[in-house]
Amino acid sequence: DGGITQSPKYLFRKEGQNVTLSCEQNLNHDAMYWYRQDPGQGLRLIYYSQIVNDFQKGDIAEGYSVSREKKESFPLTVTSAQKNPTAFYLCASSFSADFTQPGAFFGQGTRLTVV
Amino acid sequence: QKEVEQNSGPLSVPEGAIASLNCTYSDRGSQSFFWYRQYSGKSPELIMSIYSNGDKEDGRFTAQLNKASQYVSLLIRDSQPSDSATYLCAAFMNRDDKIIFGKGTRLHILP
Repeated sequence: DGGITQSPKYLFRKEGQNVTLSCEQNLNHDAMYWYRQDPGQGLRLIYYSQIVNDFQKGDIAEGYSVSREKKESFPLTVTSAQKNPTAFYLCASSFSADFTQPGAFFGQGTRLTVV
Repeated sequence: QKEVEQNSGPLSVPEGAIASLNCTYSDRGSQSFFWYRQYSGKSPELIMSIYSNGDKEDGRFTAQLNKASQYVSLLIRDSQPSDSATYLCAAFMNRDDKIIFGKGTRLHILP
């Protein structure tokens, strides 16, 4: 079955610790995205990548890092520099298109809590 | 100006009525627009995409796009309690090659 897999579903982080959230897709999508959602809020873009070995900062990139070494994978690292990391993290992927963009499909999300 | 704007709601609609959700966007060059449904605690689900001015119908859902007014809407006919969710409007920003979301409108269908 094709889809986007995020892991883990729940993650607990201690103060000052880096953690990495996994996102894998087997949809042959070119573009991948990371969003953050806080309670009662919309999705805010952290990082996105349109092609392997290339990525761009979104609106709230500070304290986060990503890599795109393979088309299928786009892991997100939440560093200790991110002062308020408790949130719901969503990974999405889509085909790239010059004119009509077909829309992004989401993984099930990772809930990160700082303890 | 925020890139994609929606009223946060909640919007309460009686069961069986038409729910109307609205969204505006700032990038006049955007060509692709989307509506997502998100149930509490779950990830967003793509329900409609629209690229051309006018209406696009899919079952009980109709998306409407007016590029001159930079306005997108979603109509849900014969609203059901299962339609109660947050609806997110999104636009593909051609200038930056990224998908930007509004904050979402909470819809509550009253039985």
